[in-house]
Amino acid sequence: DAGVIQSPRHEVTEMGQEVTLRCKPISGHNSLFWYRQTMMRGLELLIYFNNNVPIDDSGMPEDRFSAKMPNASFSTLKIQPSEPRDSAVYFCASSPTGGNTEAFFGQGTRLTVV
Amino acid sequence: DQQVKQNSPSLSVQEGRISILNCDYTNSMFDYFLWYKKYPAEGPTFLISISSIKDKNEDGRFTVFLNKSAKHLSLHIVPSQPGDSAVYFCAADMRFGAGTRLTVKP
Repeated sequence: DAGVIQSPRHEVTEMGQEVTLRCKPISGHNSLFWYRQTMMRGLELLIYFNNNVPIDDSGMPEDRFSAKMPNASFSTLKIQPSEPRDSAVYFCASSPTGGNTEAFFGQGTRLTVV
Repeated sequence: DQQVKQNSPSLSVQEGRISILNCDYTNSMFDYFLWYKKYPAEGPTFLISISSIKDKNEDGRFTVFLNKSAKHLSLHIVPSQPGDSAVYFCAADMRFGAGTRLTVKP
């Protein structure tokens, strides 16, 4: 298995533009997570899906952020409109059984909003 | 509200010596704890875990200790090697600490 695949690896966009980050979890994993890493706050959980259903989205910072998981092999994190303070590295992770077990991370998307 | 805390942003040790990374948590309901290691430009990778029914778990050079009464866990690396230089994250219930950057000097 290729592991968790995220795209793009780097994204530079202008303030106000829509940004969509993509994730393909490991086949057979039924839990998917989106995290954001910043210097100030470390690794923050944004949203957690189980069997494609959002279970905990309390970490989504504001309404500008939305996440979907239309099927077991694909998820998106969208920011609309983007702001400079959204600049960070966004990680997607998946796990076989649920939130309290080992998670497998993608390589991340480095987002820069100018 | 940070439920998992790593209060030391960085740690530097000499090769061959022990590295001790610390983590505190606030939620007494947490029953499983994990340590991850992260190299630059890569995602975190799982290193070692411990269940709350244990107070120690060992895997080669890595040992995790859990003190439930103090809500504290620590990761010991003995002996430390330059390849261990990375950021180490403590996690529980999908929540991560801010990480500690370990530098092992040759």
